[in-house]
Amino acid sequence: QLQLQESGPGLVKPSETLSLTCTVSGGSISSSSYYWGWIRQPPGKGLEWIGSIYYSGSTYYNPSLKSRVTISVDTSKNQFSLKLSSVTAADTAVYYCARIPEWELLLDYWGQGTLVTVSS
Amino acid sequence: DIQMTQSPSSLSASVGDRVTITCRASQGISNSLAWYQQKPGKAPKLLLYAASRLESGVPSRFSGSGSGTDYTLTISSLQPEDFATYYCQQYYSTPFTFGPGTKVDIK
Repeated sequence: QLQLQESGPGLVKPSETLSLTCTVSGGSISSSSYYWGWIRQPPGKGLEWIGSIYYSGSTYYNPSLKSRVTISVDTSKNQFSLKLSSVTAADTAVYYCARIPEWELLLDYWGQGTLVTVSS
Repeated sequence: DIQMTQSPSSLSASVGDRVTITCRASQGISNSLAWYQQKPGKAPKLLLYAASRLESGVPSRFSGSGSGTDYTLTISSLQPEDFATYYCQQYYSTPFTFGPGTKVDIK
């Protein structure tokens, strides 16, 4: 059974960089059939697609966040990561990682999510 | 960007009721639509994709329909475990976008 698990600091100071890692188990991140993505959800609000990455390193970023986002992959560790720079309180959210089948660009497996609070 | 709207934003229903949620895209999305269910404190769960295809393991009381810009999620007989928030998501064009959600609670 595929599992995804987010990890990283739960508190980040304003203007600093948010860094999260998603560890994939029960399947290979190097599969040519899937992308891997990040989605976030501010408390009490809706979902926002942050971006995605293919095992080869090819990325897509939401234009609304593109200038601040970097997603990378480490196939040796079966992990992919998110960096979001210059954070503000508006970046406070639950961050989810997820798998994206290349034939239907939806989110079929999700991590449990991790709350990141931006505060001094 | 394609804007997604949902109606209603919330509804109250009883066990056994038939529930219908509507999702509308700001432009045609050629059935590239998914529905998710989210319970408090949990990640969303994929229910349907390609507007009407049921994800493996999802009960058959969930169904989807629609075309062009207008799509519907129907729960034929609401069960206690179905009280949750439902989101639609278009994957026709980037950036992929979600509807604002419909909260289904107990009447």
